[in-house]
Amino acid sequence: ETGVTQTPRHLVMGMTNKKSLKCEQHLGHNAMYWYKQSAKKPLELMFVYNFKEQTENNSVPSRFSPECPNSSHLFLHLHTLQPEDSALYLCASSQVDRGRRTNEKLFFGSGTQLSVL
Amino acid sequence: KQEVTQIPAALSVPEGENLVLNCSFTDSAIYNLQWFRQDPGKGLTSLLLIQSSQREQTSGRLNASLDKSSGRSTLYIAASQPGDSATYLCATSNTGNQFYFGTGTSLTVIP
Repeated sequence: ETGVTQTPRHLVMGMTNKKSLKCEQHLGHNAMYWYKQSAKKPLELMFVYNFKEQTENNSVPSRFSPECPNSSHLFLHLHTLQPEDSALYLCASSQVDRGRRTNEKLFFGSGTQLSVL
Repeated sequence: KQEVTQIPAALSVPEGENLVLNCSFTDSAIYNLQWFRQDPGKGLTSLLLIQSSQREQTSGRLNASLDKSSGRSTLYIAASQPGDSATYLCATSNTGNQFYFGTGTSLTVIP
């Protein structure tokens, strides 16, 4: 195990459903990330939380809503998604300094494979 | 915005061969660079991290080099094994927090 756990592993949802992705890290890190991985495209950073505060939102549509209740847990709430949102959603964590920078490795979960019908 | 390119997109080699994977980036003002491995349907595993002040890092049969001025990094894999078959991605961080990824090189090592 990598120390970062994501559930569920697979999710199929209709365009009108509401669902949530969960991520938990057991590494004592203070920064957590959501990435989207689509076929033939580079990983896209969606959100960054440093010390439980959201510090990055890379122009992500409002149908994706992140939540970080504490430094170990991260959620991605989904509603009224589109078929083009089908992708592998990856959570990651790292340890950052007070300047919110890291020179340490990024640890990823196994991802949630999302299919929107 | 940083752009990261990895060539080739796919590579197939016989077992035992030494190989080099390439990564180039457009903005040389990076904070660090990481090489990752991804198995099908799985998350990424960080293999090596090179800080901006370093020229290379080694771990077992893996050696990663960094040339910031030319915007290039290479991952050298010695004596390749079938278990090395995976997609290898590189990522740069310009701020130390936001990482930009390439699309990866899919490696197949043939027994």
